[in-house]
Amino acid sequence: KAGVTQTPRYLIKTRGQQVTLSCSPISGHRSVSWYQQTPGQGLQFLFEYFSETQRNKGNFPGRFSGRQFSNSRSEMNVSTLELGDSALYLCASRSGTGANYGYTFGSGTRLTVV
Amino acid sequence: GESVGLHLPTLSVQEGDNSIINCAYSNSASDYFIWYKQESGKGPQFIIDIRSNMDKRQGQRVTVLLNKTVKHLSLQIAATQPGDSAVYFCAENIGGSGNTGKLIFGQGTTLQVKP
Repeated sequence: KAGVTQTPRYLIKTRGQQVTLSCSPISGHRSVSWYQQTPGQGLQFLFEYFSETQRNKGNFPGRFSGRQFSNSRSEMNVSTLELGDSALYLCASRSGTGANYGYTFGSGTRLTVV
Repeated sequence: GESVGLHLPTLSVQEGDNSIINCAYSNSASDYFIWYKQESGKGPQFIIDIRSNMDKRQGQRVTVLLNKTVKHLSLQIAATQPGDSAVYFCAENIGGSGNTGKLIFGQGTTLQVKP
């Protein structure tokens, strides 16, 4: 069974630009969550999507947005990039229904803003 | 605010010894807890989980203990091996049903295994 796939693995962007990151969940998983990981703040929840609807949102500015497609693949977008947005962005997928709690993470996208 | 905190930033153990990594959480409503291992350049890897209606769960060489009275979680690794060297995170699921998809992570403990 393929794991969670995130693309690209690495990105370098300039301040003010925007970026789109992609996440393909495990087959059959309908929930995709996004996290930002930085040395100073650790792992912080961005948002969760389930069946194309945002079900939960963390405390990030509106520059951070996401969406989910009918095949459960998800994208997150960051507009007007700031230096502080440099981080490892991780997505996690899980079934999202019933009592299946297991979260599986991808390897992440390393975003560097210069 | 909500937080999950780890007591020690770095733990150094001798190969073959047992390791204990501790974690404190603050949200009484959390119903599900997970330990993750993260190696350099990789995403967090699931180790073991426990629901709030349990106080102990065992896996292969790992045991998680949950003390809801003092809001404390621990991960015990038996016969620690060099391959166990990594950063370990505890995480709590916020929400009564466990279906919110939101995890609150601790800051992480680096486990160093000396050969």
